Amino acid sequence: SQQGEEDPQALSIQEGENATMNCSYKTSINNLQWYRQNSGRGLVHLILIRSNEREKHSGRLRVTLDTSKKSSSLLITASRAADTASYFCATSGTYKYIFGTGTRLKVLA
Amino acid sequence: DVKVTQSSRYLVKRTGEKVFLECVQDMDHENMFWYRQDPGLGLRLIYFSYDVKMKEKGDIPEGYSVSREKKERFSLILESASTNQTSMYLCASTQHTELTSYNEQFFGPGTRLTVL
Repeated sequence: SQQGEEDPQALSIQEGENATMNCSYKTSINNLQWYRQNSGRGLVHLILIRSNEREKHSGRLRVTLDTSKKSSSLLITASRAADTASYFCATSGTYKYIFGTGTRLKVLA
Repeated sequence: DVKVTQSSRYLVKRTGEKVFLECVQDMDHENMFWYRQDPGLGLRLIYFSYDVKMKEKGDIPEGYSVSREKKERFSLILESASTNQTSMYLCASTQHTELTSYNEQFFGPGTRLTVL
């Protein structure tokens, strides 16, 4: 069964706006990772946040983690057309990674 | 530049055929994974391997088998392809460390398999 559920399923914004997507999960985690997938391609790792961290930044990306609510959010600031992609959260146990169903982001030029 | 490659980008097979999907990584990673991706269902783990000749079932192993004879290569086998195995198949690898779950996964470009 899927651990992560992203919300919204789809998001359409104008270039320059911020995009926020959320992920909820069900069980305890070691860390949570976010990945991007361009249309019809493999996934690319964006950022990892550990269970003892609350916020993390990487360039235009900001990730928050609330373990009490079992949720995470990914914020992309000043979005660009090139950010158009699907975004997935993934939680991991010892070996297995469990991916959510993804948020499809479309950034309009 | 690190790389995970998959043998085909697109593949069309007929029901009942035996299908081999190959994945090769050049990063000397111990762990390799096969997922299938379907609309609305996200990525689902089929099998993974944490060492040569070792394999573990994922969440949906039925109808699939795998082979890991060499560290860099992980093959997914559909013994008798069926139409419900039409999907995008993604291979990934990670380095094994004491805290493997902290490692990012590196993905191949995917194979879009259609079974007619």
